[in-house]
Amino acid sequence: NAGVMQNPRHLVRRRGQEARLRCSPMKGHSHVYWYRQLPEEGLKFMVYLQKENIIDESGMPKERFSAEFPKEGPSILRIQQVVRGDSAAYFCASTTETRGYGYTFGSGTRLTVV
Amino acid sequence: AQSVTQLGSHVSVSEGALVLLRCNYSSSVPPYLFWYVQYPNQGLQLLLKYTTGATLVKGINGFEAEFKKSETSFHLTKPSAHMSDAAEYFCAVRHTRGSARQLTFGSGTQLTVLP
Repeated sequence: NAGVMQNPRHLVRRRGQEARLRCSPMKGHSHVYWYRQLPEEGLKFMVYLQKENIIDESGMPKERFSAEFPKEGPSILRIQQVVRGDSAAYFCASTTETRGYGYTFGSGTRLTVV
Repeated sequence: AQSVTQLGSHVSVSEGALVLLRCNYSSSVPPYLFWYVQYPNQGLQLLLKYTTGATLVKGINGFEAEFKKSETSFHLTKPSAHMSDAAEYFCAVRHTRGSARQLTFGSGTQLTVLP
C-alpha cells in the first residue's frame, strides 16, 4: 500500500511561470490537506479538500493559488505567475473520513523560483 | 483559534542523555495533540498522538509525551538520545470539534545529538 505520493520532488520555475504540484493520497483516503513550509518555519495550512469539493481554503493566498481534487486523479495545487516568495516546500497529507486524526504526509515538493 | 509554541528552536544533547522538547498549546476546545519528526528533505513522520484516554502517550523510537491540561503542555521526552534522533521535531494541535480538521504546527525544534 503506497503512501502519499507527491510529484515532482523538486520543481524549478522562473518568475512569472506556473507551478503545478500533484498529490496522490493513500488508497482509500478521500481527504487531502496542503501545507506550505517556508525555510526555518513550521508548516502552515493552506487548503482542505475532499473529492470534488473544497472544504476549507482559509490558508490559501487569495490570488494566484488554486487547488482541486477531482473525482479521478490526484489533487493539484496550482500557483500562477510564481514569485520568489513562493519558494518553499509544499506538503500534502491525506486521511480517511473516519480517521479524523490520522494524517499521512507525502515527502513534499520543493519549489524554487529563480 | 488555536496555536502551538515550541520553546527552543535548537536543542543539543549528548548521546545517551535525556531528550526534552517542549510544546505548549492554546486551544478553546479540548485538543488532539501530535508530535511529528522530519528528517532532511523528507516528509513528516508521526511519532505519537494524544486524542483521548491516558495522558501519557508512547510513540515510536522510544519517545513519549504527556498531556497536561492544567499546564496546556505536551512535552516530548526520550530517556536516552541516539545519534539517529537528530532531526527536526514539530508539535501540532487539532480541534476535536467541528469541521476544522487541519493541523496547526509549531515552528519546530531542531535536535542535535552530540557524540
